[in-house]
Amino acid sequence: KAGVTQTPRYLIKTRGQQVTLSCSPISGHRSVSWYQQTPGQGLQFLFEYFSETQRNKGNFPGRFSGRQFSNSRSEMNVSTLELGDSALYLCASSTSGRGESEAFFGQGTRLTVV
Amino acid sequence: AQSVTQLGSHVSVSEGALVLLRCNYSSSVPPYLFWYVQYPNQGLQLLLKYTSAATLVKGINGFEAEFKKSETSFHLTKPSAHMSDAAEYFCAVGDSSYKLIFGSGTRLLVRP
Repeated sequence: KAGVTQTPRYLIKTRGQQVTLSCSPISGHRSVSWYQQTPGQGLQFLFEYFSETQRNKGNFPGRFSGRQFSNSRSEMNVSTLELGDSALYLCASSTSGRGESEAFFGQGTRLTVV
Repeated sequence: AQSVTQLGSHVSVSEGALVLLRCNYSSSVPPYLFWYVQYPNQGLQLLLKYTSAATLVKGINGFEAEFKKSETSFHLTKPSAHMSDAAEYFCAVGDSSYKLIFGSGTRLLVRP
């Protein structure tokens, strides 16, 4: 069974640009979540989608957005990039997204903003 | 709001020694608790989870954790450390609003 796939693995962008990250969940998983990982703030929740609906959003500015497609694949977009957006972005998939559900993580996308 | 506290940002043990990584949670309802491991430049891998079936939970790679409600703790242990255990470990609580709340992580160093 294939795991969670995130593309690309590495990205370098310039301040002010925008970026789109992609996540393909495990087959059969309908919940996809996104997390930002930085040395200073640790792992922070961005948003969660289930069947194309955003059910929860973390405390991030509106520059961070996401969506989920009918095949459960998800994308997140960051517009007007800032240096502080440099981070490892992790995607996780699970069957239901509920508290007891195991979340499986991808290898992440390392975003560097210069 | 739920929260997770991991005591000790770095833990160093000798190969073959006991590993003990501490995690305390705050939750007003019975929690769903998880331990994840992260190797350099990798995502998170689930080690084990607690979902109220048993207080002692066994996970992969010889790790286990014990849920102690009275102490609001879910410490991770392994009887004998191996060099390959060197990584960062995260404790997390499953939230009712479809997200995981993570502790700040503990980096485990294993000395030969």
